[in-house]
Amino acid sequence: DAGVTQSPTHLIKTRGQQVTLRCSPKSGHDTVSWYQQALGQGPQFIFQYYEEEERQRGNFPDRFSGHQFPNYSSELNVNALLLGDSALYLCASSLVGGREQYFGPGTRLTVT
Amino acid sequence: QKEVEQNSGPLSVPEGAIASLNCTYSDRGSQSFFWYRQYSGKSPELIMFIYSNGDKEDGRFTAQLNKASQYVSLLIRDSQPSDSATYLCAVNNLNTGNQFYFGTGTSLTVIP
Repeated sequence: DAGVTQSPTHLIKTRGQQVTLRCSPKSGHDTVSWYQQALGQGPQFIFQYYEEEERQRGNFPDRFSGHQFPNYSSELNVNALLLGDSALYLCASSLVGGREQYFGPGTRLTVT
Repeated sequence: QKEVEQNSGPLSVPEGAIASLNCTYSDRGSQSFFWYRQYSGKSPELIMFIYSNGDKEDGRFTAQLNKASQYVSLLIRDSQPSDSATYLCAVNNLNTGNQFYFGTGTSLTVIP
């Protein structure tokens, strides 16, 4: 049973650049949520995708955008990177209406 | 006011002892409660979830929920050095969406 996968594992970008992170959900799951985890903090909800639409959004600026594809995989895009965007970006998958969310291994983004 | 609060620790217990981790939450409408284990540099791993008042046991882990007091706890019996990690408490309220609210985590060290 394939779990949640994310790519890349690590990424280094410069301020002002743009980045795209990718996620494939656990087999059988159709909902993808993205979280940002800064060092020493708990994950913070960015947004959730279901049926290729953004269903819910956390308190993140419009620089953060996403997409979900027909195969349920998802992308997170961040424009105009700031130093404060350096964090572990986590993708979690679930079934719509399901309660449990399972995380992928994360992408460590460093902005210099 | 923070949505979910945890004692950041560090909590140290000797091998074989019971570790007790606590979490309080502010949204009285929260319905689902989760404990994730996160090793340093890794992503969170779901270890327990509880939806009803009372206790739920799974192996060496017991989750306890008291909705009236807005309190959820995790007990780890016969603690092992491999249990040393940060434990994240998460809650959600399906009536307001499926986003998870996480605490900042409690760091647990099990001393051999």
